[in-house]
Amino acid sequence: AQSVSQHNHHVILSEAASLELGCNYSYGGTVNLFWYVQYPGQHLQLLLKYFSGDPLVKGIKGFEAEFIKSKFSFNLRKPSVQWSDTAEYFCAVNHEVGFGNEKLTFGTGTRLTIIP
Amino acid sequence: SAVISQKPSRDICQRGTSLTIQCQVDSQVTMMFWYRQQPGQSLTLIATANQGSEATYESGFVIDKFPISRPNLTFSTLTVSNMSPEDSSIYLCSVEEDPYRSDTQYFGPGTRLTVL
Repeated sequence: AQSVSQHNHHVILSEAASLELGCNYSYGGTVNLFWYVQYPGQHLQLLLKYFSGDPLVKGIKGFEAEFIKSKFSFNLRKPSVQWSDTAEYFCAVNHEVGFGNEKLTFGTGTRLTIIP
Repeated sequence: SAVISQKPSRDICQRGTSLTIQCQVDSQVTMMFWYRQQPGQSLTLIATANQGSEATYESGFVIDKFPISRPNLTFSTLTVSNMSPEDSSIYLCSVEEDPYRSDTQYFGPGTRLTVL
């Protein structure tokens, strides 16, 4: 079945470590790609998005993601994480579902814990 | 981005009862969506609610169980009917401000529902 995969369920890092969270999708055709973040006790917020153009997109709080079309991937990166980055991270793909309609499908999420 | 509020923020309900969740947006939006986030899981789309038309439900969700209203461009309700403990989830509404311009969804704070 077509899906969005986040293989890392729980990642634990020390502050200042580099971060890369994987996201793969299996939809063909045109897709729009998103990373959302949910900080503890807060609602889902948009971190960054890719529609077209430069495959390396920059988001808020020093995050970036790279779209690699050949690998159907949209991995999230940050060179140096902070304790405040502790949160749940969701990859989402907006894809066509026929008759000009689109749907946003989420991955299962990655829980990131940063140790001070 | 649009500011989205939901009422109630949380509720504890008895089996067999119904709960109506309200979603209010501070600007007019064409497309609104309702999602469910079950404990420890990702977001699953329940239905798309466009003003002036019937809601479109995803596979596995039916109107009798999750009736939706969309009376204007700033408001929608989702009712969870005849509740069972399996309906315990966070219910979120989201909006797409302009599908021809952004294709980006923004999320409300969610309603945490516990069914006893």
